[in-house]
Amino acid sequence: GQQVMQIPQYQHVQEGEDFTTYCNSSTTLSNIQWYKQRPGGHPVFLIQLVKSGEVKKQKRLTFQFGEAKKNSSLHITATQTTDVGTYFCARSGGYQKVTFGTGTKLQVIP
Amino acid sequence: DVKVTQSSRYLVKRTGEKVFLECVQDMDHENMFWYRQDPGLGLRLIYFSYDVKMKEKGDIPEGYSVSREKKERFSLILESASTNQTSMYLCASSLGYEQFFGPGTRLTVL
Repeated sequence: GQQVMQIPQYQHVQEGEDFTTYCNSSTTLSNIQWYKQRPGGHPVFLIQLVKSGEVKKQKRLTFQFGEAKKNSSLHITATQTTDVGTYFCARSGGYQKVTFGTGTKLQVIP
Repeated sequence: DVKVTQSSRYLVKRTGEKVFLECVQDMDHENMFWYRQDPGLGLRLIYFSYDVKMKEKGDIPEGYSVSREKKERFSLILESASTNQTSMYLCASSLGYEQFFGPGTRLTVL
């Protein structure tokens, strides 16, 4: 299956700065999901977007699905040390089979 | 709360050994999945199962097989372990589009 590409692979930010990770696909996506994996932990589901141009917020996290449904972004406002981890986008298909992106590892410097 | 457990957190095996990784979920989920996670490559799907005794190949099934004799249990089998199968193995289950992950098994093949 076609992986979804994510950039950047790594990001270091000063605590309080904003952070954005981008997810791109060469094909139209029926949906996009986001997961967070803390260091030493397992991925945890954050959200799913299904509509073109959809924007959803969870506290300091803003998720967007592109108009063409080929890209998505996750933006964190005023990062905190608790935001450290790897963020994955993913697409869900038949039998709820999920194909994950390559991930963006976020490090927050206190 | 959904609970997905994996038989071992850490495992060390020798090249050529047969390896069994066990995964159990307690929420009566139809779908179960095995992934491997490697740095820079994200999570890659090895096999998944959408019902008892049903299995489908994922993106990287070579060198692996699976067994699902009971709904709650999904086993990953490495018929003859090789060093390139050293990795973190994650099991997940789902009923809808959200996947729930186990803690992972870090397998080292010497």
